[in-house]
Amino acid sequence: GDSVTQMEGPVTLSEEAFLTINCTYTATGYPSLFWYVQYPGEGLQLLLKATKADDKGSNKGFEATYRKETTSFHLEKGSVQVSDSAVYFCALRIPAAGNKLTFGGGTRVLVKP
Amino acid sequence: EPEVTQTPSHQVTQMGQEVILRCVPISNHLYFYWYRQILGQKVEFLVSFYNNEISEKSEIFDDQFSVERPDGSNFTLKIRSTKLEDSAMYFCASRIERTNEKLFFGSGTQLSVL
Repeated sequence: GDSVTQMEGPVTLSEEAFLTINCTYTATGYPSLFWYVQYPGEGLQLLLKATKADDKGSNKGFEATYRKETTSFHLEKGSVQVSDSAVYFCALRIPAAGNKLTFGGGTRVLVKP
Repeated sequence: EPEVTQTPSHQVTQMGQEVILRCVPISNHLYFYWYRQILGQKVEFLVSFYNNEISEKSEIFDDQFSVERPDGSNFTLKIRSTKLEDSAMYFCASRIERTNEKLFFGSGTQLSVL
């Protein structure tokens, strides 16, 4: 079946450090890929997405590139802020197979001033 | 930005009791979902709902679970006879249309079954 694997946290960084969160997937079809973010006390919010190979999703300084050859969708940000402290979820959806999202386990990121 | 609202934020119940988790999706959305996350595990899909019927459900969503949109605004998840293993954070989500990738999530209801 479809699955998403992302690095376990917590990841603790200093402000302005470089952040990478690895995400790899296995899928029975051609997936769309997503990163969701959950800030403390809030619901999951779509951070960025990519729907085909070599697409780059970007938002709020975060980027992720859909790499079909390595089945990966790693999240990166060049200079994190304290406000980026959150839990980040990688997810996939097979458009031809319905609406459900398959999530990774989430990675907690803590940015210290 | 519009929000999906879930109530209550925390629910404690005794094993075997029925619980109803409530959600108010965004008003012009047409597709509704429930997901859950057991502590330390992945967020898992439970069910999707469109046009007043279930469009997809997971293996988790057995006969103990049901969903309803009773009045055109609320979207509820009912667990008829709760088990300890139903303890989890339950997320409601909605989408405006099937081809729109943006799913809006509520902040969740933490269900604790004692």
